[in-house]
Amino acid sequence: ILNVEQSPQSLHVQEGDSTNFTCSFPSSNFYALHWYRWETAKSPEALFVMTLNGDEKKKGRISATLNTKEGYSYLYIKGSQPEDSATYLCAGSSNTGKLIFGQGTTLQVKP
Amino acid sequence: NAGVTQTPKFQVLKTGQSMTLQCAQDMNHNSMYWYRQDPGMGLRLIYYSASEGTTDKGEVPNGYNVSRLNKREFSLRLESAAPSQTSVYFCASSEYGDGNQPQHFGDGTRLSIL
Repeated sequence: ILNVEQSPQSLHVQEGDSTNFTCSFPSSNFYALHWYRWETAKSPEALFVMTLNGDEKKKGRISATLNTKEGYSYLYIKGSQPEDSATYLCAGSSNTGKLIFGQGTTLQVKP
Repeated sequence: NAGVTQTPKFQVLKTGQSMTLQCAQDMNHNSMYWYRQDPGMGLRLIYYSASEGTTDKGEVPNGYNVSRLNKREFSLRLESAAPSQTSVYFCASSEYGDGNQPQHFGDGTRLSIL
C-alpha cells in the first residue's frame, strides 16, 4: 500500500512569487503519480499524470517533475496569482487504478 | 458538458437510517470510484469499479455497499448510517482503471449523520 506525503501543509505567498511543493511516495510499487488542483467549493481537477522517471510536464505557469528512484515529485508555480489559491493534491497509483492521496498543500496567494 | 453528476448535494440522516448516493457520468468512462474526504485527511477510496459489472474494495469499505448499475451509473449505499460516516463524498470516473488515467470528479455530496 502506497503512503503519500505532501509538504508543506500550507503556504502563503505574495502575488508574483514563484513557489514549489513536494510529494513523496515509496519508490517501490510505484506506477503513476497524479497532481490535482482543488479550489474551494469546487471539485478536484486533474493537472498532470506522470509515469516515467525524469518526466516533466507543464501547463501554463504550473509544472511538475518526477523522480521515481528516490520517490518524490515537485510541483512548481511560476509568478503566483491570486487565482492559483487552492489545495494541490498528489496521489500515487498502482496498476490496479487505486489512487492513494496525500493530505494536500493549501496555497494562498495574497494580492 | 455535465461530466460527473452526484445527487443529492446535501443530506442529513439520523443514526441507523439508510441512504443511497447516486453518481452518473456522461464521458463513456469505463472506471468509476467513490471517495470520502474528512478534515485533516486526504481523499480515501471507499470502493471502485474498474469496468461495468465489477466492483472492488478500496481503503475504507466498511459500512458501505456499491452497485455499478450500468456503464454510466455507480451508486454508494449506507445500509445503517453511523455518525462516523459524516463526511463529504466524491464520485470520480476515468477512461480506464489502469492507474495512469486522470480521474474526473463530481461536485461532492455533503452528508451529516446525527
